[in-house]
Amino acid sequence: EAGVAQSPRYKIIEKRQSVAFWCNPISGHATLYWYQQILGQGPKLLIQFQNNGVVDDSQLPKDRFSAERLKGVDSTLKIQPAKLEDSAVYLCASSSTLGTHTDTQYFGPGTRLTVL
Amino acid sequence: AQSVTQLDSQVPVFEEAPVELRCNYSSSVSVYLFWYVQYPNQGLQLLLKYLSGSTLVKGINGFEAEFNKSQTSFHLRKPSVHISDTAEYFCAVSYTGGFKTIFGAGTRLFVKA
Repeated sequence: EAGVAQSPRYKIIEKRQSVAFWCNPISGHATLYWYQQILGQGPKLLIQFQNNGVVDDSQLPKDRFSAERLKGVDSTLKIQPAKLEDSAVYLCASSSTLGTHTDTQYFGPGTRLTVL
Repeated sequence: AQSVTQLDSQVPVFEEAPVELRCNYSSSVSVYLFWYVQYPNQGLQLLLKYLSGSTLVKGINGFEAEFNKSQTSFHLRKPSVHISDTAEYFCAVSYTGGFKTIFGAGTRLFVKA
């Protein structure tokens, strides 16, 4: 089966610009996650969707970050305006069941964002 | 608050030698534990997970991990590593009643010929 797809793979922008990332999960997976992975750190959950509803967005900086999954399939994550500290790899993952604590998550290759 | 500590940021080892990557977690409730691997320019993939039952968990590529509740540890081991095992390894924990998985900072395993 096809894996989790993400685009673009790399993005360089200047601070205060906006940027958007796209993710297409594994077909049939109900749960979708966006993580931020800063260099030297583990992935940090930004937002988790169950179908098209938000399960957890407690660590999403809502003043500048937004995410949507309108039809319960693919998703976009947007940053507006970007700050230097947003430089990171943005990972998308999906899981097939209810997004509970025992699920295996399947990760995409990530988008590396550099903010200058 | 829950946390995951991977005690070594980098582990260099010679090919065919054994390796142990250490992971400790903090929690006062039941936990579920995972090891993920990230090969260069690829996404994370699951190596193994502990949900319940036997404390020794076997995963893919010859890796295994042992859950030690008294020491709150979940160390990853492989008796003989290959060059192809060079990657970053992440320990992760989630807990009953919650949805979020918390990842450690990662351990970079470098296998030398």
